[in-house]
Amino acid sequence: DGGITQSPKYLFRKEGQNVTLSCEQNLNHDAMYWYRQDPGQGLRLIYYSQIVNDFQKGDIAEGYSVSREKKESFPLTVTSAQKNPTAFYLCASSRGIGELFFGEGSRLTVL
Amino acid sequence: GNSVTQMEGPVTLSEEAFLTINCTYTATGYPSLFWYVQYPGEGLQLLLKATKADDKGSNKGFEATYRKETTSFHLEKGSVQVSDSAVYFCALSPMYSGGGADGLTFGKGTHLIIQP
Repeated sequence: DGGITQSPKYLFRKEGQNVTLSCEQNLNHDAMYWYRQDPGQGLRLIYYSQIVNDFQKGDIAEGYSVSREKKESFPLTVTSAQKNPTAFYLCASSRGIGELFFGEGSRLTVL
Repeated sequence: GNSVTQMEGPVTLSEEAFLTINCTYTATGYPSLFWYVQYPGEGLQLLLKATKADDKGSNKGFEATYRKETTSFHLEKGSVQVSDSAVYFCALSPMYSGGGADGLTFGKGTHLIIQP
């Protein structure tokens, strides 16, 4: 079945460590996105990419990095520069205006 | 800039009650409007959408009408079930978003709890 796969589902990180969240899609969508979700704050856009080898910062890109070397893959690295990384991270892809397909999310906890 | 405002939750209803979740927006021109649903521990799923004024989106018994005059897109369902318990997000995509969702703006979400 087509869809978006995020891994790991749960991740624990010590302060000062970088971690990478995986996002893979087999929907043949050009556009991919990373959102951060915190309780009571809705979804905030971290980075997005509309084509391979190109990506743009969203509203809260500081402390994060991405790459888009393949159409199917859009990994997110949470760096040690991110001051408050504990959150639920959602990856999505798009086939048209506003119609996003989401993965099941990755929950990152900093110990 | 663009913004979406939803009613604060949680909203608690009994099974078979009528549901309304209010959503209003601020945007220029004619944005596309969406409702997404997030079940516990999962990602978001598109529930319904409307792309022009007076359009009605519907799915799984839920409906929402794009009202340009009141800049609203309220979500309604005639008889809710326990399985409808989830978080509901209203969202808009601006008129000139370039074909992708780079400009998608979400409301903060409304947590709906349906009691048997």
